[in-house]
Amino acid sequence: EVQLLESGGGLGRPGGSLRLSCAASGLSFSNHAMSWVRQAPGKGLEWVSGISAGGSDTYHADSVKGRFTISRDNSRNALYLQMNSLRVDDTAVYYCVKRNSAMFGFYFDSWGPGTLVTVSS
Amino acid sequence: QSVLTQPPSVSGAPGQRVTISCSGSRSNIGAGYDVHWYRQVPGTAPKLLIFGNTDRPSGVPDRISGAKSGASASLAITGLQAEDEADYYCQSYDPSLGGVVFGGGTKLTVL
Repeated sequence: EVQLLESGGGLGRPGGSLRLSCAASGLSFSNHAMSWVRQAPGKGLEWVSGISAGGSDTYHADSVKGRFTISRDNSRNALYLQMNSLRVDDTAVYYCVKRNSAMFGFYFDSWGPGTLVTVSS
Repeated sequence: QSVLTQPPSVSGAPGQRVTISCSGSRSNIGAGYDVHWYRQVPGTAPKLLIFGNTDRPSGVPDRISGAKSGASASLAITGLQAEDEADYYCQSYDPSLGGVVFGGGTKLTVL
């Protein structure tokens, strides 16, 4: 059974930084693309960042481009999200998700429980 | 405002059938990209319900089904049960908008 467990959430200051981690188990981690998806309080889901299985290709939503960086360490079965220049509207639960390929497009077949990031002065 | 449009809420009595629509455009669903559905019980993580427009992961009952036509998709739940009360999200892909896109979510209430 795939298990994903996020950590690193908490209170961040506007303009500050936080680093999220995701520990993966129950899968051949290095064979799978991964992503981060977030959900602001009372709002819907928003894709944030994605990374290829080997880590060479990364993708970010326009809302976080230039501020967030996704990375992974396949030797540690770990996924990361470095969040810089935090803004109040980055406040959300951040989910670590395993990406799978459809015939045309992608979907997310495993989700962690999420970690809450609150950005406030 | 979400790229994919869903009704904010739907409701039905136990045993009834409900459908949730997901409307896209020519740059995402209408371009042929697949639609996927997730169920989220408040306070918990979303769970994959339908992938590839119509396929169910193991463990999802066959009273839950998906369909796609043109630039829209729908999720149908028959034999409504109390445990179906949750938020439902559709998801697709839109290269013109940078990648994965979600609907705004639909709250299903079992009366």
